[in-house]
Amino acid sequence: QVQLQESGPGLVKPSETLSLSCTVSGGSVSSGSYYWTWIRQPPGKGLEWIGYIYYSGTTNYNPSLQSRVTISLDTSKNQFSLRLRSVTAADTAVYYCARWYYVSGRPFDYWGQGTLVTVSS
Amino acid sequence: DIQMTQSPSSLSASVGDRVTITCRASQSISTYLNWYQQNPGKAPNLLICAASSLQSGVPSRFSGSGSGTDFTLTISSLQPEDFATYYCQQSYGIPITFGQGTRLEIK
Repeated sequence: QVQLQESGPGLVKPSETLSLSCTVSGGSVSSGSYYWTWIRQPPGKGLEWIGYIYYSGTTNYNPSLQSRVTISLDTSKNQFSLRLRSVTAADTAVYYCARWYYVSGRPFDYWGQGTLVTVSS
Repeated sequence: DIQMTQSPSSLSASVGDRVTITCRASQSISTYLNWYQQNPGKAPNLLICAASSLQSGVPSRFSGSGSGTDFTLTISSLQPEDFATYYCQQSYGIPITFGQGTRLEIK
């Protein structure tokens, strides 16, 4: 059974960088069938796709965040990570890592439990 | 960006009712449409992929249909555990986008 677990600070100051990691168990981030993804959800609001990374290192980001976001992969730790620069209160959200299964429908089939990140001084 | 519009935004229903949630895409997305259920404080859970394929372990009272721009999620007989928020999501184009959600409440 695949499991994903987010980790990182729950509080980040405005203008600083949000950094989260996602550890994958029960599967490999080096598998070619999957893209490793970050999604966020502001409190009481809907879901926003942030971006993905493929095992080859290929990335794709939401244009609304592209200038501030970097997703990277650490195959030795079976992890992938998110960095979001120059954060503001609008970046306060629950951040989820998820596996994007690139087959029929291309769904997010496994999700982490989510981690709340609050941007505040 | 492909806009996904769900209706209704909220819905009150009773146990045993049949309910339908619709999702409309701003352009054709073939069947690259997935449905999720989210309970408060939890991650979304995949119910249906490719518009109509029920995920393993999901009760058969859930069904999905549609292609192109118009899709539906139907729950044939509501159970207490079905009261949650439902999201549609398209994977046809980048950025991947979600509907705004439909909150299903107990009447």
